[in-house]
Amino acid sequence: ETGVTQTPRHLVMGMTNKKSLKCEQHLGHNAMYWYKQSAKKPLELMFVYNFKEQTENNSVPSRFSPECPNSSHLFLHLHTLQPEDSALYLCASSQDRTDLYGYTFGSGTRLTVV
Amino acid sequence: GENVEQHPSTLSVQEGDSAVIKCTYSDSASNYFPWYKQELGKRPQLIIDIRSNVGEKKDQRIAVTLNKTAKHFSLHITETQPEDSAVYFCAASPDSWGKLQFGAGTQVVVTP
Repeated sequence: ETGVTQTPRHLVMGMTNKKSLKCEQHLGHNAMYWYKQSAKKPLELMFVYNFKEQTENNSVPSRFSPECPNSSHLFLHLHTLQPEDSALYLCASSQDRTDLYGYTFGSGTRLTVV
Repeated sequence: GENVEQHPSTLSVQEGDSAVIKCTYSDSASNYFPWYKQELGKRPQLIIDIRSNVGEKKDQRIAVTLNKTAKHFSLHITETQPEDSAVYFCAASPDSWGKLQFGAGTQVVVTP
């Protein structure tokens, strides 16, 4: 199994729900990332954390709220989402934000907003 | 910021033939170029990468070439097999930026 674990694998939520996605890495990396992967579109970088500090917010709507309590864990809190937010959400990690060797993805959470 | 374009969007090849995917990038400061393979329902996995101080790198049936002057890099798969069927993504990153900009992906289908 990959060194980056994401839970849950699948999530269906209503537009008024609040849910959280979890990512955990066991690679000793210090940078973690959230990506959104929609059909027929490039991978979209959402957030970057380096040594627990957020270093990038790629103009992501406030209904997505990241949290990084330590270098091994990353969360994405979701609330009042829209149907167009349905996508595969991928977590990734690397040694740090300037050392991208070993850049590893998790298996993703398939999110469906109904 | 960096912009990466990838072509073609779909590629069908006969088993045993070669497949070539091309990417161009815009930021001349980019110096790290990885390629990822994503099988249906699975995570993207790094298959090969190259730094800008190298023009070509090969790993068994997979090779990547880089032309810094023209700002393009290519993935070459030789003797394709059905298990090579997947979506392939290129990416580029300037050291100072510290993040990857991905191409839109190429769906490769290898037919027996």
